[in-house]
Amino acid sequence: QVHLVQSGAEVKKPGASVKVSCKASGYTVTSYLMHWVRQAPGQRLEWMGRINAGNGDTQYSQNFQGRVTITRDTFASTVFMDLSSLTSEDTAVYYCVGEYPSGPGSGFDPWGQGTLVTVSS
Amino acid sequence: QAGLTQPPSVSKDLGQTATLTCTGNSNNVGNEGAAWLQQHQGHPPKLLSYRSNNRPSGISERLFASRSGSTASLTITGLQPEDEADYFCSAWDSSLSDWVFGGGTKLTV
Repeated sequence: QVHLVQSGAEVKKPGASVKVSCKASGYTVTSYLMHWVRQAPGQRLEWMGRINAGNGDTQYSQNFQGRVTITRDTFASTVFMDLSSLTSEDTAVYYCVGEYPSGPGSGFDPWGQGTLVTVSS
Repeated sequence: QAGLTQPPSVSKDLGQTATLTCTGNSNNVGNEGAAWLQQHQGHPPKLLSYRSNNRPSGISERLFASRSGSTASLTITGLQPEDEADYFCSAWDSSLSDWVFGGGTKLTV
């Protein structure tokens, strides 16, 4: 059975950075494109970027360029999302999610359980 | 925030049919099609369809997705209480080089 298990909730101060992890089980993460998507209160889902967990190739949304870094540890079947220069507008639930089935017209599946990041002074 | 357009809410009775729409343009929905997600309160989203009209295994046959031009649709027949949820569409935008989402439709049954 496929599971993506994310690290726990975080509370950060403005200007700080946060790193969220996503560990896969029952799922060969290196065979997939792994994405990070966030959902702020009352806002639509927002794509942040993705990593080819097999070769480490990354692509980021222009909305987060320069602030987000996605990495992976293939031996640990884990991907990471690092977001810097946090502001209150970064308060959201952050999800890791696989691309299914991959390629044009794909959707997002499976999903991690989500990690709430709260930015507050 | 750039994105796809969905009606904020739809309300139907038990057993009826609901059709949810998602409007984009030729760079996103009209290009590679859309995918649909269902989200119940407090849970992560769940993939319902991809490439406009394909269902992942385990998804109810009461759900039917389609596309006409730059508008994607999700039709749910024989509405059940568990269908009450938020529904989002997504698509790759080749002009923005970004995945875009709809604002979501809250389906009340």
